[in-house]
Order: sequence, then structure tokens, then C-alpha cells
Amino acid sequence: GENVEQHPSTLSVQEGDSAVIKCTYSDSASNYFPWYKQELGKGPQLIIDIRSNVGEKKDQRIAVTLNKTAKHFSLHITETQPEDSAVYFCAASRSSGGSYIPTFGRGTSLIVHP
Amino acid sequence: DTEVTQTPKHLVMGMTNKKSLKCEQHMGHRAMYWYKQKAKKPPELMFVYSYEKLSINESVPSRFSPECPNSSLLNLHLHALQPEDSALYLCASSQGTGSYGYTFGSGTRLTVV
Repeated sequence: GENVEQHPSTLSVQEGDSAVIKCTYSDSASNYFPWYKQELGKGPQLIIDIRSNVGEKKDQRIAVTLNKTAKHFSLHITETQPEDSAVYFCAASRSSGGSYIPTFGRGTSLIVHP
Repeated sequence: DTEVTQTPKHLVMGMTNKKSLKCEQHMGHRAMYWYKQKAKKPPELMFVYSYEKLSINESVPSRFSPECPNSSLLNLHLHALQPEDSALYLCASSQGTGSYGYTFGSGTRLTVV
């Protein structure tokens, strides 16, 4: 089955700095890569996703890059703000019996200091 | 409406109790999911419903019983749970079971005593 490694487990930055979270996956058939943000006491929220036919995608201060050859993808957050503090999960999905079920990374706790 | 609503938010139950968790969405999503999340861990898939039919059961013990009464509602019936079943139970939905992102609810924090 798919295995997703996520690093670092904790990331502490100053407000205004950039933050980068990296994930690697094992199954070359995976072709959909969502990122979720989970704030304390809430469920995960989809913040950005990328499909395997695209190398990079941006949405305001967040961007995701995908390197299919190396089987890794990264989340980039620029100009971090205290409200970016949360746990971030990457995931990799492939079709299995008609369903795309994500395999999640173990999560990165991002702390943005004011 | 772009939300998944879960009730109750918190639940404490004894090991002999029967209780139900409820989940509702009005986004027209045709796939709904139950996940279990332990502290500081990623969500773990329990069940997948596609077009109101159970399509995936991740070998979940029978003390957890899912039900999908209609395309907007998903229930999780609980009976004879163990303390180790204490966790955050998350419901999610997506447009289908294809490569779509999920909309998660805020979860039910379950404590089994």
C-alpha cells in the first residue's frame, strides 16, 4: 500500500517568515495530493490540492509543488501569520476499486510566533 | 451551505451504553466517510459510503455500525465500546469517490468510561 512520510513534525517560525513542509510518497500510481489544515478543536480543512499532471499550484500565500520523478511534494506558505498556526497534513491518493482514498502523512505542527 | 455538521460535539458514554453520532451535509456530495482520529495522529478511515451504499469497511469492529439513511445523512451507531475507542470521530463528504478533496466536520469528541 501507499506510505507517506511528512517532515518536519514541528516547525516554528517568526511571523512574516516562510514555512515549507515536505512529503514523500511510495506508490507511483498516486495522482492526487491534497493538503489539509487542522486547527485546534476543528476538523481538517482542505487548503490546496494538486494533481499529477501539474508541477505547481498557487493560491495567494500558499503553494504546492510536485516532483513525480522523485515522488515528493511540498507545501510553501509565505508571509506567515499567527492564524496559520495549526497542524498540516499532506496526503496521497490513487484509484483503488474506483475510490480515491487518501493516505495521510503524520502531520506537521506549525507554530507562528508574533 | 458548504459545511458538514456533526452532533453531538462531545459525548461521554459507559461501556454498556448505546449511542449514535450524526452527520449532515447539504452540498449534494455523493460520498460520505467516517474517520477516527487519536491525539497527534492523522485521521484513520473507518467507512466509506458512495451513493448511500457502504463501499469500504476498513475492518472496523462490529461495535461500530454505520448507517446512511439518505444522501444527506450519515450515522454511526456505537455499542459496547472500550476505553481505547475514545477519540475524535470525524465525518467527511466529497463530490464522489474520485479524486476530490474532502469537507470535514468538526468532529465528535468521544470519551468511553
